[in-house]
Amino acid sequence: QVQLVQSGSELKKPGASVKVSCKASGYTFTSYAMNWVRQAPGQGLEWMGWINTNTGNPTYAQGFTGRFVFSLDTSVSTAYLQISSLKAEDTAVYYCARMYSSSSGYFDYWGQGTLVTVSS
Amino acid sequence: SYVLTQPPSVSVAPGKTARITCGGNNIGSKSVHWYQQKPGQAPVLVIYYDSDRPSGIPERFSGSNSGNTATLTISRVEAGDEADYYCQVWDSSSDHPYVVFGGGTKLTVL
Repeated sequence: QVQLVQSGSELKKPGASVKVSCKASGYTFTSYAMNWVRQAPGQGLEWMGWINTNTGNPTYAQGFTGRFVFSLDTSVSTAYLQISSLKAEDTAVYYCARMYSSSSGYFDYWGQGTLVTVSS
Repeated sequence: SYVLTQPPSVSVAPGKTARITCGGNNIGSKSVHWYQQKPGQAPVLVIYYDSDRPSGIPERFSGSNSGNTATLTISRVEAGDEADYYCQVWDSSSDHPYVVFGGGTKLTVL
C-alpha cells in the first residue's frame, strides 16, 4: 500500500536550518509529483510548491522562494524539504503530499506531518 | 491569484445534512477537491473532481460545483464527521500551475 513516512519533530533556534524527509513506498516514486504543504498552528493549509520526481525540477509557490529548497534522492524514494535561516514564523507542521497527476491536481496520499518548532 | 472562500464554521445535528460551500470566481469551470482533517491528523481526500469519491469514503459524502460555488454535502451526519474541511483547486491554465486551498471550515456536530 502507498505510504509517505516523514521524519520526526524538530526543535530549532532562529537562524538555523532544518531538513525534513518524506520516504515513499508502495508505488513507483518517479511516477508522481511530490508536493509540500505548510500548516501553521491553528491555521489552514498552505501550498508551498512541488517537485517533479522524474526530472528533479522544483516549483515554489509565492512566499516560498529563497529559504526553501525541495530535493530528492530517488535511490531511496525520498523527498526532502530544507528550510534555512529559520524564523519563529516558520513554526508549523509540514506535510508532503503525492499529487495524483499533473492534470488532476489533487493529493491522494499525505505524509503524517512533521512539526518544526523555531524557538530560542 | 485565485481565491477560495469558505465559511469558518458550520454546525449540524446528528443525522441531518451538512453543506459546506467554497466560493471562487467562476469556480464551476475548475475541478474542485475536498479534504477532511481531524485534529492532529493529516488531511484525507474525500471528494475529487467535484463529485468523485475515493474508495473507502462513505456515500454520505458528495460534491457539486457550478457557477461561483462548489459544495460539499455530508448526509446523515455522524459525530465522527466532526473535522475541518478544505476545498482545493489546481490552476493549470498558466505557464506556472499552482494549488489554492480554501481557508477551511470547521464542522461541528451538535
